[in-house]
Amino acid sequence: EVHLVESGGGLVQPGGSLRLSCGGSGFIFSNAWMNWVRQAPGKGLEWVGHIKSQSDGRTTDYSAPVKGRFSISRDDSKTTLYLQMNNLKNDDTAVYYCTTSETAPPRRFDHWGQGTLVTVSS
Amino acid sequence: DIQVTQSPPSLSASVGDRVTITCRTSQSIITYLNWYQQRPRTAPKLLIYGASNLQSGVPSRFSGSGSGTEFSLSINGLQPEDFATYYCQQSHSTPRTFGQGTKVEIK
Repeated sequence: EVHLVESGGGLVQPGGSLRLSCGGSGFIFSNAWMNWVRQAPGKGLEWVGHIKSQSDGRTTDYSAPVKGRFSISRDDSKTTLYLQMNNLKNDDTAVYYCTTSETAPPRRFDHWGQGTLVTVSS
Repeated sequence: DIQVTQSPPSLSASVGDRVTITCRTSQSIITYLNWYQQRPRTAPKLLIYGASNLQSGVPSRFSGSGSGTEFSLSINGLQPEDFATYYCQQSHSTPRTFGQGTKVEIK
């Protein structure tokens, strides 16, 4: 059974940094594209970005609101995904989920973690 | 970026009803459209992928259809556990945009 467990959330001041982690098990981590999706309080789902599998070059893509501030990386040996968040803003307050997706279309987000809450506030 | 417009934002229905939610995209995404269900205070769950394929373990009362720019999710015979928020998402290109969500409430 696939398990994804996020950690690292918490309270941070505007302008601060935070690194989230997502540990995966029950699947071949190195073969999966991995995504971060966030959900602000009472709002809908927003894709943050993804990192492709090792065989697809581990390249990354980001949404416009986070590009240049957030960075996604992975350590396949530790089956762990990371989200480094810098220069945080109040609007980054959200629950952050990691998800898996297939390497081939339709690239459904088939497994989700339970989420970790990030609160940006002074 | 591909825009995704989902409607209605909310609907009220009774147990046993058939409900339909629609999703329109700003350009053709062929059938790269997925549907998720989110119950309160839980992570989203994949229901339908590739517009019409039922994810393993999802009840057959859920169905999806469409191609190009117009898609729909139907629930045939609403059950108490189906009262939740539903999101569509395009996976044709990045950014992987989601619809705004449809909250299905008990009438």
